[in-house]
Amino acid sequence: QSALTQPASVSGSPGQSITISCTGTSSDIGSYNLVSWFQQHPGKVPKLIIYEAGKRPSGVSDRFSGSKSGNTASLTISGLQAEDEGDYYCCSYAGGSTFWVFGGGTKLTVL
Amino acid sequence: QVQLQESGPGLVEPSETLSLTCVVSDFAISNGFYWGWIRQPPGKGLEWIASVYHSGNTFYNPSLKSRVTMSVDTSKNQFSLKLTSVTAADTAIYYCARQRPDTLDIWGQGTMVTVSS
Repeated sequence: QSALTQPASVSGSPGQSITISCTGTSSDIGSYNLVSWFQQHPGKVPKLIIYEAGKRPSGVSDRFSGSKSGNTASLTISGLQAEDEGDYYCCSYAGGSTFWVFGGGTKLTVL
Repeated sequence: QVQLQESGPGLVEPSETLSLTCVVSDFAISNGFYWGWIRQPPGKGLEWIASVYHSGNTFYNPSLKSRVTMSVDTSKNQFSLKLTSVTAADTAIYYCARQRPDTLDIWGQGTMVTVSS
């Protein structure tokens, strides 16, 4: 069982917006603004798309946005495109002797 | 452009020790940052295993701590992972990554390790 909780799957039509939630605890997401989101296409390496809850690395589309409230972080993808289909993982710093905890992943299907 | 490349045996027998190395290119490990290992069992999610600083300071996932050792060799610009007493549950793609203070920003291509006799 993963430390962070994500929905197993979400879906949306091209052009629509979807939001993926990531729920943790007061020991991880609730205590630090160090939430990242990774996109992973089948057979590929996870790609960083959001860090520090809402910042985008250079080169990542502004259709991807992130936010955090309390113990829950969210990833929103606007203007869905077929290329957005894949798995999305949240990750949070957890402090102490545990650096990082991941969510179980969410499979995004573009209908 | 910073690149990371994992290497190691693709097949390990049960109860043996899994050993992997990650070579870093175009960035000196001694310049800073933590360096980490993450794994992904087939069809499953990501799990952070361990991280090491260039000084050798290490942090381990509590669930794996009794079996994991990480080390760093700044002269070769590489870091390594050893996982003892492996079982089929340790079968996974193993990724190495650069760890900034705020995220894991650069990942290697990953190496598949199968535990089987």
